[in-house]
Amino acid sequence: GDSVTQMQGQVTLSEDDFLFINCTYSTTWYPTLFWYVQYPGEGPQLLLKVTTANNKGISRGFEATYDKRTTSFHLQKASVQESDSAVYYCVLGEGTGGYKVVFGSGTRLLVSP
Amino acid sequence: EAAVTQSPRNKVTVTGGNVTLSCRQTNSHNYMYWYRQDTGHGLRLIHYSYGAGNLQIGDVPDGYKATRTTQEDFFLLLELASPSQTSLYFCASSPGHRAETLYFGSGTRLTVL
Repeated sequence: GDSVTQMQGQVTLSEDDFLFINCTYSTTWYPTLFWYVQYPGEGPQLLLKVTTANNKGISRGFEATYDKRTTSFHLQKASVQESDSAVYYCVLGEGTGGYKVVFGSGTRLLVSP
Repeated sequence: EAAVTQSPRNKVTVTGGNVTLSCRQTNSHNYMYWYRQDTGHGLRLIHYSYGAGNLQIGDVPDGYKATRTTQEDFFLLLELASPSQTSLYFCASSPGHRAETLYFGSGTRLTVL
């Protein structure tokens, strides 16, 4: 079935470190891929979106690139800040309308000052 | 910006108890969703609705009922609560069935003793 895999349960960094969060997916449809972010005490919110047409999404200093060959959709940021501490979800939306939504298990990012 | 309000914020009940979680959205979105969030599983869809009186089954519906009474209001019902239903519950709304436009509430933490 359709799935999203985030192997890193938690990532701990210091401010100004480089961030890389791994995500791979499996689907038989044409995917639309998203990253959602959840700050403490809040619900998840959309961070960025990538379709198979444009391959890359950028938002608030975060960047994600879709690689069809490896079915990966990793999230990167050049220099993290303490305020980036949150849980990051890789999300698969299937079909041209994002009909079926599958969330990954989430990666908790802790950034120390 | 879409506003989704959940109540109560926290709820404690006993095994076999009857619980209703409430969700109201104020932007006239067509779609509303109930998710549960558990460590290691991310967010899992319980039920969703595309309008008043409509109900669609999600991925983990067992033990849950839901009802959409109006465009704004979506309720999740646990008629015989069990400890396995201890979780953080999120309601979300969307103008269409597309992942990038999911607007989440702040969650209800339910504990079943």
